[in-house]
Amino acid sequence: AQSVTQLGSHVSVSEGALVLLRCNYSSSVPPYLFWYVQYPNQGLQLLLKYTSAATLVKGINGFEAEFKKSETSFHLTKPSAHMSDAAEYFCAVGGTGFQKLVFGTGTRLLVSP
Amino acid sequence: SAVISQKPSRDICQRGTSLTIQCQVDSQVTMMFWYRQQPGQSLTLIATANQGSEATYESGFVIDKFPISRPNLTFSTLTVSNMSPEDSSIYLCSSRGQGDNEETQYFGPGTRLLVL
Repeated sequence: AQSVTQLGSHVSVSEGALVLLRCNYSSSVPPYLFWYVQYPNQGLQLLLKYTSAATLVKGINGFEAEFKKSETSFHLTKPSAHMSDAAEYFCAVGGTGFQKLVFGTGTRLLVSP
Repeated sequence: SAVISQKPSRDICQRGTSLTIQCQVDSQVTMMFWYRQQPGQSLTLIATANQGSEATYESGFVIDKFPISRPNLTFSTLTVSNMSPEDSSIYLCSSRGQGDNEETQYFGPGTRLLVL
């Protein structure tokens, strides 16, 4: 079975500050890990993914995430927040063999001027 | 990546009625998925739809309430039957990518449903 825990339902940062959104996973098979972003009134957009290649993954909009097997974590970071980053962020875990994606509960990122 | 469109984008329906949501993918895909996102919540998988076979439903979801069609490799529909206010949600369609992106799911913009 697979599961994802996102710590913090809301994260608030100032514009220009570091963004850190936490994700821990549990998986009985080598995981594929994903971060998606959902802007208001829109669907989910893929930010980045880990599929057993490089452990540091770079995505769109300046985001990156590092896969740490020893910590079962896949935290999302961005060095400098922008107002346009305000959105809901979902971490998800999947696996090989067409396993379904399991989503975390989401973290709402608030960016203040 | 796959480009996915959904119709309608939003609707307001009366309880007891049914709504059919359409999902179109810009390429042929084996697996399509339907998710529900209740207000302020995460995504819950309703069912997986493979072309040419019955959809596979997750625990808590039944075919009578959420019948799914998958007539070809680019199209699927989800019907929300005999609606109640508890069915007010965003319904999202997704599909897997192709080739090197096969493990990735891509999502449509969602259908925002309000049941009165």
